[in-house]
Amino acid sequence: QQQVKQSPQSLIVQKGGISIINCAYENTAFDYFPWYQQFPGKGPALLIAIRPDVSEKKEGRFTISFNKSAKQFSLHIMDSQPGDSATYFCAASPTSGSARQLTFGSGTQLTVLP
Amino acid sequence: DAGVTQSPTHLIKTRGQQVTLRCSPKSGHDTVSWYQQALGQGPQFIFQYYEEEERQRGNFPDRFSGHQFPNYSSELNVNALLLGDSALYLCASSLLGSNTGELFFGEGSRLTVL
Repeated sequence: QQQVKQSPQSLIVQKGGISIINCAYENTAFDYFPWYQQFPGKGPALLIAIRPDVSEKKEGRFTISFNKSAKQFSLHIMDSQPGDSATYFCAASPTSGSARQLTFGSGTQLTVLP
Repeated sequence: DAGVTQSPTHLIKTRGQQVTLRCSPKSGHDTVSWYQQALGQGPQFIFQYYEEEERQRGNFPDRFSGHQFPNYSSELNVNALLLGDSALYLCASSLLGSNTGELFFGEGSRLTVL
């Protein structure tokens, strides 16, 4: 029940295209859903996050879509650029009164071709 | 403003040895969490420290222990190392009670167990 399932494992997109990564969860106590971006040799960096009281959040070229009834959320990267090539992780956590304990998906390696 | 700093960046140990990894949180943060990231996988939560006490713990054996100091820095100790402990160990800091609850990750300590 603690798992977050992420797909696809890898994704190749042409420059200017749309990258879509999907995640699903089971634990209904989860109420915070961030996406992290990780470059080789670096730690994960927060990209964008959403709470279940909204169905969509957009920041620049990055959009999270959230479907509470289906327990699914996705990351859309519009106008994908070669610099977006990285590994993307979805994650989820409950609000437990203490600092967040994130459960991560298994990651999606995105390659954007020039 | 320095972010999360970790040391050492790389280290090699042999089975049965013990290792200590160190983390300095981002300025102003009071909570430190540790994650283990195996190659090609998402980070897995080990434990979290606040006010020098372990507050939450993931599914890791007692060989994994930690400490938080009065200046909020933290150590992760792993005893009786196994080959399977080879991974990137990530430290993340946050501010308890912040509105966003955002975790800031360091670049990690890459542990290789031979």
